[in-house]
Amino acid sequence: QVQLVESGGGVVQPGRSLRLSCAASGFAFSSYAMHWVRQAPGKGLEWVAVKSYDETNTFYSDSVKGRFTVSRDNSKSMFILQMISLRAEDTAVYYCARGEYYGSGSADYFDFWGQGTLVTVSS
Amino acid sequence: DIQMTQSPSTLSASVGDRVTITCRASQSINTWLAWYQQKPGKAPKLLIYKASDLESGVPSRFSGSGSGTEFTLTISSLQSDDFATYYCQQYNRYHTFGPGTKVDIK
Repeated sequence: QVQLVESGGGVVQPGRSLRLSCAASGFAFSSYAMHWVRQAPGKGLEWVAVKSYDETNTFYSDSVKGRFTVSRDNSKSMFILQMISLRAEDTAVYYCARGEYYGSGSADYFDFWGQGTLVTVSS
Repeated sequence: DIQMTQSPSTLSASVGDRVTITCRASQSINTWLAWYQQKPGKAPKLLIYKASDLESGVPSRFSGSGSGTEFTLTISSLQSDDFATYYCQQYNRYHTFGPGTKVDIK
């Protein structure tokens, strides 16, 4: 069965960096666009970033552009979110989510989600 | 950017009630709309995609309709497992979620 397992969350000071990982299994990882979606405590869902199945397309929300970088290792079925210059407003549960089969990443819905990993940015 | 709104923000209902949630887009998104259910402490779960297509395994009491800028999610007969928060999401151009509708017990 499809599984997405995030890791790497924790408490980090403002301005510092953090790297989140998403380990995928149970499906042909290299054939799907992959996304990060976050949810601040008590708030709604916010799409963060996507990497297309073949790594040719990458898109970011305006709120993280220039600070966050997504990458993927299709040989290891891993999806990574590298975050720098973290701010208090980045505090959230970060979910990785599966997008479209052979998707470019520009227009997807999300059919499978991980359980999320909490990032807290605080001094 | 495409903005999404939902109404109501909170809905109080009883088991067996018919429940309708509305989602509106700031510009036409054709039928590129998905609905998700989220329970506290859990990841969202896909219910409906392309405005009206039911995801595999989702009970048939859930249905979606609409196109362009106005969409609805209907639960035909609310069950105890359905008390949750519901989000719409457009994927016409990039990805934007609505603010959510919490369905709680009346």
